[in-house]
Amino acid sequence: QQQVKQSPQSLIVQKGGISIINCAYENTAFDYFPWYQQFPGKGPALLIAIRPDVSEKKEGRFTISFNKSAKQFSLHIMDSQPGDSATYFCAASANWDGGSQGNLIFGKGTKLSVKP
Amino acid sequence: DAGVIQSPRHEVTEMGQEVTLRCKPISGHNSLFWYRQTMMRGLELLIYFNNNVPIDDSGMPEDRFSAKMPNASFSTLKIQPSEPRDSAVYFCASSPLQRSSTDTQYFGPGTRLTVL
Repeated sequence: QQQVKQSPQSLIVQKGGISIINCAYENTAFDYFPWYQQFPGKGPALLIAIRPDVSEKKEGRFTISFNKSAKQFSLHIMDSQPGDSATYFCAASANWDGGSQGNLIFGKGTKLSVKP
Repeated sequence: DAGVIQSPRHEVTEMGQEVTLRCKPISGHNSLFWYRQTMMRGLELLIYFNNNVPIDDSGMPEDRFSAKMPNASFSTLKIQPSEPRDSAVYFCASSPLQRSSTDTQYFGPGTRLTVL
């Protein structure tokens, strides 16, 4: 129930295209859904995050769509650029009384390659 | 700020040897996390500390692993004895204080451990 399932495992997109990465969760106590971006040789870094009280959040070319009833959320990268090539992790966490003490539960990651 | 500092960046050792990984969190951050990243299992939380006190070590794989945080600016993760299956990238992350599920975690660059 603590798992976050992420797909696809890898994704190849042409420059200018839309990259879409999906995640699903089971634990209804999760109330925070961040996406982290990781470049080779670096640690993950927070990209964008959403709370379940909204269905969408946009920051520049990056958008999170959230479907509470389906327990799914996704990352959309518009006008994908070669510099976006990285591994993307979705994550989820719950409040202290949600059982996970606020810890982040990560998906397995999606390796995105944007071709020029 | 220099960010989270980890050392060494790379470690190659032989099976049975003791390995010590080090982490210096961001100054002023009171929560510290140790993660392990592998292709098969993704990012796994091993242990985390609040105000130098271990809060959740349920992710520590077995007794061969131990972690300490003697003060607010230093933590170690020790593996004794090491085994080939411990080969992974180990990340340290810190956050201001893990009292909310929305606190951002800042990751270090990681230590790539290879056990031969």
